[in-house]
Amino acid sequence: AQKVTQAQTEISVVEKEDVTLDCVYETRDTTYYLFWYKQPPSGELVFLIRRNSFDEQNEISGRYSWNFQKSTSSFNFTITASQVVDSAVYFCALSEGGGGTASKLTFGTGTRLQVTL
Amino acid sequence: DAGVTQSPTHLIKTRGQQVTLRCSPKSGHDTVSWYQQALGQGPQFIFQYYEEEERQRGNFPDRFSGHQFPNYSSELNVNALLLGDSALYLCASSLGTGGNTEAFFGQGTRLTVV
Repeated sequence: AQKVTQAQTEISVVEKEDVTLDCVYETRDTTYYLFWYKQPPSGELVFLIRRNSFDEQNEISGRYSWNFQKSTSSFNFTITASQVVDSAVYFCALSEGGGGTASKLTFGTGTRLQVTL
Repeated sequence: DAGVTQSPTHLIKTRGQQVTLRCSPKSGHDTVSWYQQALGQGPQFIFQYYEEEERQRGNFPDRFSGHQFPNYSSELNVNALLLGDSALYLCASSLGTGGNTEAFFGQGTRLTVV
C-alpha cells in the first residue's frame, strides 16, 4: 500500500530564513510519481512540482528546490529566503505510475509553515 | 480559462440528511476525482470518474456515490450524513487517468454536519 509521511506538523521561521519540509514515501511500485502541493487559507491545492521515479535529478525553481532520493525514499522541499507569502500548508503526495486508473493521489498529513517578519 | 469550480462553497446539513456537491472541471479535462479533507489532515481519495464511469474508489462507504455527466462535470452525493462527514470536499480534474497527470484542484466545499 502507498503511504506518505510528513513528520513535521508545523514549522515557524522568520522571513529570509531557509526552510526544508520533509517527505518520506512508501510504495511497492517501480514506477510512481511524487508531487508537492501548497494549500493557502483559501483551501485550493496549488500544484508545485511533479517528479517521476526514474528522474532523481534535483530541481530548482526560483526560491524553491526539491531533493529526490530513492535510496531513502525521500522527496524533500526547500524554500530559500522564505517570505510571509510562503505561509501555507504544504502537502507531499504520491501516485502510482501505471496507465488506466493510476492517478489517485495519496497525500501526507501536511506541514503548516508559518513565516513571520 | 476557468479552472476547477465547485459549488456550493459552504453547506450546513443535519445528521441523516443527504447532500449533493458539484464540480466543473478545468476546460479540456475529462477526469474528475473527489477527495475528503478532514480538519488538520491531508486529502483522502474518495473516487474518480472517467468516461462517465467510476474508475477507482478509495476506502469510503457506499453512502458516498457520484456521477459524471457528458460534459465531464461531476456530482458527489452523500447519504445518511454523519457528524464525521464534516470536512472540506475537494474536486480535482485532469486529462486522462495516468499517474503522471497533473491534477488541478478547486477551492472545495466546506460541509458541516450538525
